[in-house]
Amino acid sequence: AQSVTQLGSHVSVSEGALVLLRCNYSSSVPPYLFWYVQYPNQGLQLLLKYTSAATLVKGINGFEAEFKKSETSFHLTKPSAHMSDAAEYFCAVTPSGAGSYQLTFGKGTKLSVIP
Amino acid sequence: NAGVTQTPKFRVLKTGQSMTLLCAQDMNHEYMYWYRQDPGMGLRLIHYSVGEGTTAKGEVPDGYNVSRLKKQNFLLGLESAAPSQTSVYFCASSRPGQGDTGELFFGEGSRLTVL
Repeated sequence: AQSVTQLGSHVSVSEGALVLLRCNYSSSVPPYLFWYVQYPNQGLQLLLKYTSAATLVKGINGFEAEFKKSETSFHLTKPSAHMSDAAEYFCAVTPSGAGSYQLTFGKGTKLSVIP
Repeated sequence: NAGVTQTPKFRVLKTGQSMTLLCAQDMNHEYMYWYRQDPGMGLRLIHYSVGEGTTAKGEVPDGYNVSRLKKQNFLLGLESAAPSQTSVYFCASSRPGQGDTGELFFGEGSRLTVL
């Protein structure tokens, strides 16, 4: 079984400041990890994914995440927040090789960007 | 390319009424899913299908039924709606096999209110 914990249901940052959204996972086998973004009144879209290649993963819109096995973490960062980054972000995990139907989502972190 | 399309986008029901949500995908994906999203709960899997004619229960299947008569369509039914089923419902699809790294493609959601 696997699980995901996102620390902080709501994070506020100033425009231009560092964005850090935290995700810790639990998995009995090596995981695949994902960050999805949901803009208001829309479905989720993939931001980036870790599938056992490079531990530092770059995604769309300047976001990146680093897989740290020793810390069981996959935190999402962006050096400089933009107003358009305001959205809800979901971390997700699936056992490697298990397929997408075993994807488990975290409860989400809503990011607000203050002008 | 439409991707994943859900209908209807909004619906209000009275307790005890029935309804069907339709999901259609044009990406020739084998796997399809129905999730519900509730505040502070993230996404929870209701039912999923790994191919035409097959369905399986997810995390929260009670009160829902599904059918996958055609590969491109996945229907979610509520036989007797309850206020606890007030939620936003998302359909998703994915590609299985060796290329399946867990990426889901989501529709824009269907907001259901049960009075």
